[in-house]
Amino acid sequence: AQKVTQAQTEISVVEKEDVTLDCVYETRDTTYYLFWYKQPPSGELVFLIRRNSFDEQNEISGRYSWNFQKSTSSFNFTITASQVVDSAVYFCALSKGTGGFKTIFGAGTRLFVKA
Amino acid sequence: DVKVTQSSRYLVKRTGEKVFLECVQDMDHENMFWYRQDPGLGLRLIYFSYDVKMKEKGDIPEGYSVSREKKERFSLILESASTNQTSMYLCATLTSGSYEQYFGPGTRLTVT
Repeated sequence: AQKVTQAQTEISVVEKEDVTLDCVYETRDTTYYLFWYKQPPSGELVFLIRRNSFDEQNEISGRYSWNFQKSTSSFNFTITASQVVDSAVYFCALSKGTGGFKTIFGAGTRLFVKA
Repeated sequence: DVKVTQSSRYLVKRTGEKVFLECVQDMDHENMFWYRQDPGLGLRLIYFSYDVKMKEKGDIPEGYSVSREKKERFSLILESASTNQTSMYLCATLTSGSYEQYFGPGTRLTVT
């Protein structure tokens, strides 16, 4: 069975601090996709990144970076120099290689960034 | 940009009422989804549809039904609302061959 665990329920940081959101997944599939979505207070989830199981390269996009390690089944997300606008709920998700139909979401991590 | 709209942001209904939640998308995506979001549980899939008049049960379909008569519209129906269906309901779309879902703003439903 597939499972996504986000052990951190809430994180609170002060602006400009770096913060890492943890994600651990379980799957028996050899081909799968991992995602991060952001849910701001407006409610709609916004796609941030997708990685496939064959690509363990880390990725950086501005202040955001992602660390994918198959050996530990983790896909962690780091925000560097956090800003108040980063305050949101962040979801890690896992999908089978056959497409996005059955995407399993983690419970989410609520990030508070204080000015 | 993909636009996914949901008929209401907030809805209050009474136990036993029939409730319709509507979702409309403007990007011609084949696939549409209904999730419910509860604290500590993340998003759980209720139903999805991969074509007009086609539907598949998700992980928690009990107490819900869906309708997709037109490609752009996917409705979630609570035949007889109960208090344990109080939740945030999110609609999403997906184009075939892709993996990233596009979400609507959600409907926060309260059943009293």
